Amino acid sequence: DAGITQSPRHKVTETGTPVTLRCHQTENHRYMYWYRQDPGHGLRLIHYSYGVKDTDKGEVSDGYSVSRSKTEDFLLTLESATSSQTSVYFCAISVTPDTQYFGPGTRLTVL
Amino acid sequence: KNEVEQSPQNLTAQEGEFITINCSYSVGISALHWLQQHPGGGIVSLFMLSSGKKKHGRLIATINIQEKHSSLHITASHPRDSAVYICAVRFNNNDMRFGAGTRLTVKP
Repeated sequence: DAGITQSPRHKVTETGTPVTLRCHQTENHRYMYWYRQDPGHGLRLIHYSYGVKDTDKGEVSDGYSVSRSKTEDFLLTLESATSSQTSVYFCAISVTPDTQYFGPGTRLTVL
Repeated sequence: KNEVEQSPQNLTAQEGEFITINCSYSVGISALHWLQQHPGGGIVSLFMLSSGKKKHGRLIATINIQEKHSSLHITASHPRDSAVYICAVRFNNNDMRFGAGTRLTVKP
């Protein structure tokens, strides 16, 4: 298994609070991704990174920001969480943009 | 517009049956992936295809580029194959999109 961890694995928070999710890899892969998974929608790309300090927006980036100051860490921040951001969040890594290895997921509930 | 559709949405089979899950996409692609999501939530990559057919154990994946269609087959299905199967497509403009998934339940 690729060395990917996500923290926290579960979080319950209130509307309007800031939330940061962390993705950590030990594989030294160049590409890192944040997805959200919602019933009926499949996985949707939020943001991705193609190197340290190099990030770009995905399909559903509104309300989210990311940072990658080190190869091994990719942070996803919800500046002011809303109920529509209740979801399961997956981080993924890859050497090339193709085969991705997924983290275990973080279940976020915004009340 | 880059779109991916999977069918069926849900599938129930008896142990031993031959399973087919379908994936269609809208425009030209550079690669198509089949993923498996276990009941616990973990996602693993099964296949990456750009043409033809690939086989791994009881799993077979095919792709028809002209028809913009791929199928995932499971032979001699087993209850441990119960999972959500996801088709993911990298389009020629480098956009990657995922199907909504097919929930497979194999009953003993």
